[in-house]
Amino acid sequence: ELKVEQNPLFLSMQEGKNYTIYCNYSTTSDRLYWYRQDPGKSLESLFVLLSNGAVKQEGRLMASLDTKARLSTLHITAAVHDLSATYFCAGVPSGSARQLTFGSGTQLTVLP
Amino acid sequence: KAGVTQTPRYLIKTRGQQVTLSCSPISGHRSVSWYQQTPGQGLQFLFEYFSETQRNKGNFPGRFSGRQFSNSRSEMNVSTLELGDSALYLCASSLFSGAQGEQFFGPGTRLTVL
Repeated sequence: ELKVEQNPLFLSMQEGKNYTIYCNYSTTSDRLYWYRQDPGKSLESLFVLLSNGAVKQEGRLMASLDTKARLSTLHITAAVHDLSATYFCAGVPSGSARQLTFGSGTQLTVLP
Repeated sequence: KAGVTQTPRYLIKTRGQQVTLSCSPISGHRSVSWYQQTPGQGLQFLFEYFSETQRNKGNFPGRFSGRQFSNSRSEMNVSTLELGDSALYLCASSLFSGAQGEQFFGPGTRLTVL
């Protein structure tokens, strides 16, 4: 059974600072997703990481995947207030259909 | 291109009642998955339908059921509602079944059970 752990669960950071959210998973995952959720809203897809060493960047966010370490990271560069949200990573157990297994989420607050 | 739509957006029911939620996937998508989100348990997979067939089911009691129609629209039903069923129910659509493609989520239906 795939288990996904994120840390930290809560993160307060100053605008302009850098930080990394970590996502560890327990068994082989066919792919790794990162989603963003604003309060009371649905999930917005940020990144899909398909293979070992994959790196994707969009604006101030960069995601990477190390399948050997079973680790994905979401790096935030020069944070701005608009990035305040909850970020989830999710894996797909090998051999399953569309079953996403989510981490607990990281609630990010960017302070002025 | 229209996104995933879910109706209703908000619902209030009482214990013991049943409820039906609806999801219309992105045009051309044939896979629909349902998830439950609660503060205590987080996001949990309910089931996935592809081409009108249930492909996967999560660890939920039989009170939770679903179906998919020939136009790929899906419904989920919860019978004999319990207080713990209060949650945000999210539907996601995807072009493919299997471990391919990306899931796109709808706005969710917030169910409150009193």
